[in-house]
Amino acid sequence: DAMVIQNPRYQVTQFGKPVTLSCSQTLNHNVMYWYQQKSSQAPKLLFHYYDKDFNNEADTPDNFQSRRPNTSFCFLDIRSPGLGDAAMYLCATRTDGANSPLHFGNGTRLTVT
Amino acid sequence: QKEVEQDPGPLSVPEGAIVSLNCTYSNSAFQYFMWYRQYSRKGPELLMYTYSSGNKEDGRFTAQVDKSSKYISLFIRDSQPSDSATYLCAMRVLDSGYALNFGKGTSLLVTP
Repeated sequence: DAMVIQNPRYQVTQFGKPVTLSCSQTLNHNVMYWYQQKSSQAPKLLFHYYDKDFNNEADTPDNFQSRRPNTSFCFLDIRSPGLGDAAMYLCATRTDGANSPLHFGNGTRLTVT
Repeated sequence: QKEVEQDPGPLSVPEGAIVSLNCTYSNSAFQYFMWYRQYSRKGPELLMYTYSSGNKEDGRFTAQVDKSSKYISLFIRDSQPSDSATYLCAMRVLDSGYALNFGKGTSLLVTP
């Protein structure tokens, strides 16, 4: 019954080798988010989309980019991963209502070797 | 000072205990408060949300908000080993923006 699906669950990449993480949703929600969560840290917002309108957080490194080709899918591209980018990457969605809660996927744990 | 502060724990309690998890915040404009539960290697799962001061109950869980003290709590009654997880508080200014402000999470272990 997974409604926000992230693939892969675990991703290992080499230092500097581009990697793409994917998220799909069956909820038909307008708003999609990418969060980065490091061990014992609060989730940190990287980007969000309102439909196709893209919003980049001011402190998100240029190394991180995102694509949302349609309502259901969203991708996180890390152009040149560094060791500091090892983290859990969480996708979340919500409906249009400004105060609707976020629904998270199970995340992709990225390891950089 | 971070906008949302949460003691990371770990907090260890025996099965059946009442658990109290807390967050403090500095932005008096926050009006929408949520608690998420996150099991190991999983995404956060929404437990409860509330807009107002006071208590909101859902089964064994009670969310409490004290806006005058900028303090929110989650109480878990009759705690079970399956409640062992990290609990994240999150909050936002009502009807404004799309980002949630999260606490770091409190790790809870309920022992049989």
